[in-house]
Formats: sequence, C-alpha cells, structure tokens
Amino acid sequence: KAGVTQTPRYLIKTRGQQVTLSCSPISGHRSVSWYQQTPGQGLQFLFEYFSETQRNKGNFPGRFSGRQFSNSRSEMNVSTLELGDSALYLCASSPATSSGELFFGEGSRLTVL
Amino acid sequence: QKEVEQDPGPLSVPEGAIVSLNCTYSNSAFQYFMWYRQYSRKGPELLMYTYSSGNKEDGRFTAQVDKSSKYISLFIRDSQPSDSATYLCATTANQAGTALIFGKGTTLSVSS
Repeated sequence: KAGVTQTPRYLIKTRGQQVTLSCSPISGHRSVSWYQQTPGQGLQFLFEYFSETQRNKGNFPGRFSGRQFSNSRSEMNVSTLELGDSALYLCASSPATSSGELFFGEGSRLTVL
Repeated sequence: QKEVEQDPGPLSVPEGAIVSLNCTYSNSAFQYFMWYRQYSRKGPELLMYTYSSGNKEDGRFTAQVDKSSKYISLFIRDSQPSDSATYLCATTANQAGTALIFGKGTTLSVSS
C-alpha cells in the first residue's frame, strides 16, 4: 500500500510570493491534516480536512489555507510568504475510524528568502 | 505556558540502556496520548497510543500516562542504535484522534 505522498519535496520562494503544496493520502483515508515543523516551535497543527470539509483548524493566520478534493487529495496554500514561513510542512492522513494514528508523509521543505 | 512541554535533550546513552522520555501537559481535557518517532529527513511514525491514564507495553517500549499529575512517559528497554531518533509526545482532546498538539521532541542517540 502506498504511503502519504507530498509534492514538491523541496522548494525555494521569496518573500511576498505564494506557494501551493500537495498531498496524496493513503488510499481509503478520508482525513488529511497539515502540520508545520520548525526548530523553534516544533510540530504545530495547521488544519484538518475530512470529506472535503475543514473539520479542525489550528492557530495560524488566514494566509494559510487548504482544501480537499473528492478523491481525498489535499492542497495547502500560503500567500504573501514571510521569512518565518520557512519550515517543513507535513501532511498526515488517517482512516475515518482513527485510533489516533496519523500516517505522515516525508514533508515539503519550504525555504523563504 | 506551552500546552505540552518536553525536554529537547539531546540524550545520549550506550546500547542496552533503559531510556526514559517525559512530557508534561497543561490541559486536563486531553484524553488521547501518543508517542511518535521521527528519523532524520522522515515524517513522524506512531510508536504508542494510550487513552486516558494507565500503562501500555509493546515489545521494548512502555508508555505511561498519569492524568493526576499531567505527566506522560515513554520507556525504552535494551536500547539499540536503531532507536536513535527524535521522540515526540502528542496529545489531543479530539475524539477522532486528530488535531494533535506535539511536544518539541527529544533527540536520542544510542551508541554501540
């Protein structure tokens, strides 16, 4: 069974630009969550989508947004990039009847110059 | 005060040692507790999951949750070099087990 796939794996942007990251969950998983990981703040929850609806949201500004498609694939977008947005963005999927186990992808490493 | 506090280490032990990793949390609403392991350049993977207070054992790993003191522990027996990784505690009040709040992680190095 294929794992969670994230693209692109690495990208470099400049301040003010926007970026879109993509996540393909494990087949059959309907929940997709996004996390930001930085050395200073650790892993922080961004948002979760379930059946194309945002089910939970973390404490991030509105520049961070996401969506989920009918095939459960998800994208997240960050607009007006700031230097502090440089981070590893991790996507995780889980089945509908989750026991708390999230399956993480390897992440998209974003560098903002 | 951060909702989940975890000593970042680093922690270095010889092969075969018993390792104790700990976290504290502040919100008594948290009911679900997990330990994730993250190898360098990889995403985290679930090691242990516990609901409410108590102990759970899986091979060389034991997870403990003490809700009265808001304390979470992971013990690793007979540690191996392959256990060298960053260990993250996580918790949530969310019944679906999502929207996790993570500690910052403890980096463990086991030398042979």
